Amino acid sequence: KAGVTQTPRYLIKTRGQQVTLSCSPISGHRSVSWYQQTPGQGLQFLFEYFSETQRNKGNFPGRFSGRQFSNSRSEMNVSTLELGDSALYLCASSEDSYNEQFFGPGTRLTVL
Amino acid sequence: DAKTTQPTSMDCAEGRAANLPCNHSTISGNEYVYWYRQIHSQGPQYIIHGLKNNETNEMASLIITEDRKSSTLILPHATLRDTAVYYCIVHNAGGTSYGKLTFGQGTILTVHP
Repeated sequence: KAGVTQTPRYLIKTRGQQVTLSCSPISGHRSVSWYQQTPGQGLQFLFEYFSETQRNKGNFPGRFSGRQFSNSRSEMNVSTLELGDSALYLCASSEDSYNEQFFGPGTRLTVL
Repeated sequence: DAKTTQPTSMDCAEGRAANLPCNHSTISGNEYVYWYRQIHSQGPQYIIHGLKNNETNEMASLIITEDRKSSTLILPHATLRDTAVYYCIVHNAGGTSYGKLTFGQGTILTVHP
């Protein structure tokens, strides 16, 4: 099976802009989780989607949002970008939250 | 999810076994112990997980103490490619923590030639 894919791999934006990141899970996986990784805060959970429903959300402002489509592909959106949003954004898929997660390579976002 | 404590860094000689400890003294009965690793700037990689019994797969072995308050990940024959940050995570997969893995700072394992 193909692994988790994320697009784009690298992105440069300026403050105030918005960005959409995409994640394609492993075939058959219905759960998709998103994480933000920064040098200062480490890996932090953003949210999880299962069958198009957000089941869990981390402690991030409302500028961070996401959605999941019927084919389990997921997108996350960050509006009104701030310098502190510069990070590696990772998505992970699993058959369900009971199972191990498989991570994609991440999208490196730089906000100037 | 219970908190975990891991050494900040460890060294290992290539070809030798790497034993990475993790303390999780507040673990509850329905929480699993998961291990992931992250090689520089890549996404974390799942290694192994267990509830109370020792587990082994093609990558590693997981030894969980009888009281479940600590565990050890064993890489039997470490190679240079095993140099990575190793995360021990305690997770209640069946609870309300849907899809949420809580990562600590992990252990930086450096394998030397």
